Amino acid sequence: ILNVEQSPQSLHVQEGDSTNFTCSFPSSNFYALHWYRWETAKSPEALFVMTLNGDEKKKGRISATLNTKEGYSYLYIKGSQPEDSATYLCALSKGNQFYFGTGTSLTVIP
Amino acid sequence: DTGVSQDPRHKITKRGQNVTFRCDPISEHNRLYWYRQTLGQGPEFLTYFQNEAQLEKSRLLSDRFSAERPKGSFSTLEIQRTEQGDSAMYLCASSLPGAGVEQYFGPGTRLTVT
Repeated sequence: ILNVEQSPQSLHVQEGDSTNFTCSFPSSNFYALHWYRWETAKSPEALFVMTLNGDEKKKGRISATLNTKEGYSYLYIKGSQPEDSATYLCALSKGNQFYFGTGTSLTVIP
Repeated sequence: DTGVSQDPRHKITKRGQNVTFRCDPISEHNRLYWYRQTLGQGPEFLTYFQNEAQLEKSRLLSDRFSAERPKGSFSTLEIQRTEQGDSAMYLCASSLPGAGVEQYFGPGTRLTVT
């Protein structure tokens, strides 16, 4: 079992603020790091897959970075909007298994 | 809708009853996964299939749990003699073959055992 940790557990921000969260994982035997957004009553939606140290991915106002040597990934949201409110999960994949963190619950206040 | 679907979305059952959930993966995906998520935790791996073969099972999957994927398409997860500790969200995901490839999730089945 791999220990994947996310912080903070929850976050409330004002509309328009930028925010970021952290995913920490064991740096050895790394294969791929995944970010998902999970809105209430919907399916978790894949945001990014990153495999290489130094990877940076961007989708609209959301971006992510990866540091495999020190074992962390950051997810950034620029100019948060109410529709960004969701739980953001990261998962480390090793072989055929995914190891999920507990998620960061983001609430964007209009 | 060509995504992963799960049925039912919600299930309330009494302790000791058996329940069965169904997952229909994305049609071209030969891998199918089951996860369980309890309150305050991330999804935890239960089992996975490649086509109809069940290749891995977590130690979380007690002998009261059984999963099948008889024709390599849809899958069922059955829990026998449910216990209150089985109350959780049960998620299904599917993917193409390969390590680390993206998994596509269904909306989950929320089980409440009273």
